[in-house]
Amino acid sequence: DTEVTQTPKHLVMGMTNKKSLKCEQHMGHRAMYWYKQKAKKPPELMFVYSYEKLSINESVPSRFSPECPNSSLLNLHLHALQPEDSALYLCASSQSGGPQETQYFGPGTRLLVL
Amino acid sequence: QKEVEQDPGPLSVPEGAIVSLNCTYSNSAFQYFMWYRQYSRKGPELLMYTYSSGNKEDGRFTAQVDKSSKYISLFIRDSQPSDSATYLCAMTYGNQFYFGTGTSLTVIP
Repeated sequence: DTEVTQTPKHLVMGMTNKKSLKCEQHMGHRAMYWYKQKAKKPPELMFVYSYEKLSINESVPSRFSPECPNSSLLNLHLHALQPEDSALYLCASSQSGGPQETQYFGPGTRLLVL
Repeated sequence: QKEVEQDPGPLSVPEGAIVSLNCTYSNSAFQYFMWYRQYSRKGPELLMYTYSSGNKEDGRFTAQVDKSSKYISLFIRDSQPSDSATYLCAMTYGNQFYFGTGTSLTVIP
């Protein structure tokens, strides 16, 4: 099973809302990632969790708050977002976060901020 | 200079054609090279994964790495309309995972 699942598939929220994106994998991977992808652009790394600890934060604004409750789950809490935050948010996982590892991506959550 | 360069296309070919997709990179420390396929409104799907220079074949897909030229390629033989997607190259160095900008491919029936 090489599946990474993400919910919801689509999300529309206002700038004052609080919402959460969820990601789950059952491959026994110990590293999980959040990416943001704008139209016709490659994914941009936001956060990396390795063994449930935040190991990389690519200077993402505090209105994005990641959480890793256990090795299979990764959340991204959203609060007071801006319209420019509208994008496809991708979750990925890999074995342990090492430099040579292949990342497996979920289908993404398409977020629209009004 | 970007770490990874990829022609965004778009590339349009007739069904059955051989497709060649390419990326160049600047950092000789890159060791692992991947190709992802991304359909519209979907997450990237891993197609091929290579480490050393040379060719790796999987069905209709062949990945080629030339570390001396810092150049990687993905060849698709007997292209099908279902191959229409954006193809992203990616490579790793240290803790970083670098993507190309993606090449948009359309295979016309």
